[in-house]
Amino acid sequence: KQEVTQIPAALSVPEGENLVLNCSFTDSAIYNLQWFRQDPGKGLTSLLLIQSSQREQTSGRLNASLDKSSGRSTLYIAASQPGDSATYLCAVVTGSARQLTFGSGTQLTVLP
Amino acid sequence: DAGITQSPRHKVTETGTPVTLRCHQTENHRYMYWYRQDPGHGLRLIHYSYGVKDTDKGEVSDGYSVSRSKTEDFLLTLESATSSQTSVYFCAISDSSGRTGSYNEQFFGPGTRLTVL
Repeated sequence: KQEVTQIPAALSVPEGENLVLNCSFTDSAIYNLQWFRQDPGKGLTSLLLIQSSQREQTSGRLNASLDKSSGRSTLYIAASQPGDSATYLCAVVTGSARQLTFGSGTQLTVLP
Repeated sequence: DAGITQSPRHKVTETGTPVTLRCHQTENHRYMYWYRQDPGHGLRLIHYSYGVKDTDKGEVSDGYSVSRSKTEDFLLTLESATSSQTSVYFCAISDSSGRTGSYNEQFFGPGTRLTVL
């Protein structure tokens, strides 16, 4: 059974800092890996999708990498801002239904 | 934003009553999913659909049924609601064809907060 782990569970940083969120998964037979953002009481917003054949994806200040063989992904956030405060979720796409298996998330707080 | 709506957005019901949640999409995506989100358990797949009238069970399907009679609608039914089904329910869609350029990227609806008393 696929298991996804995110470290750290919570992170508090001052504004302007660069930071890295980590995600690991136990079964490397994945189609994609997707990073989401969730604000309190809200739905999930897709940030980046990395297909299994790719090594990284970039969107603005966000960069996500994927090392499928070692079962790891990182989300790099450059020049963090208070508006980046949210929970960040990593999920891998597996199975015939292309369903997502989620990690428990990293709760990020960026202090002004 | 992907065109996904969920209804109702909030519902309070009593144990033993039937409840139906609706997910509606305007993207013509093939796959539709129902997840529940609970503190300490994260997001878990309940049921999914890979086409009209084609559905299958996910990780936590006990006590739930689904139906998909049209591409755009995916219904989740709790036949007899229990307090353990108090949760936030999310619908998601994805396109397997790669037409969107984001193969299998899943997009989520705003969620339904269900309370079973």
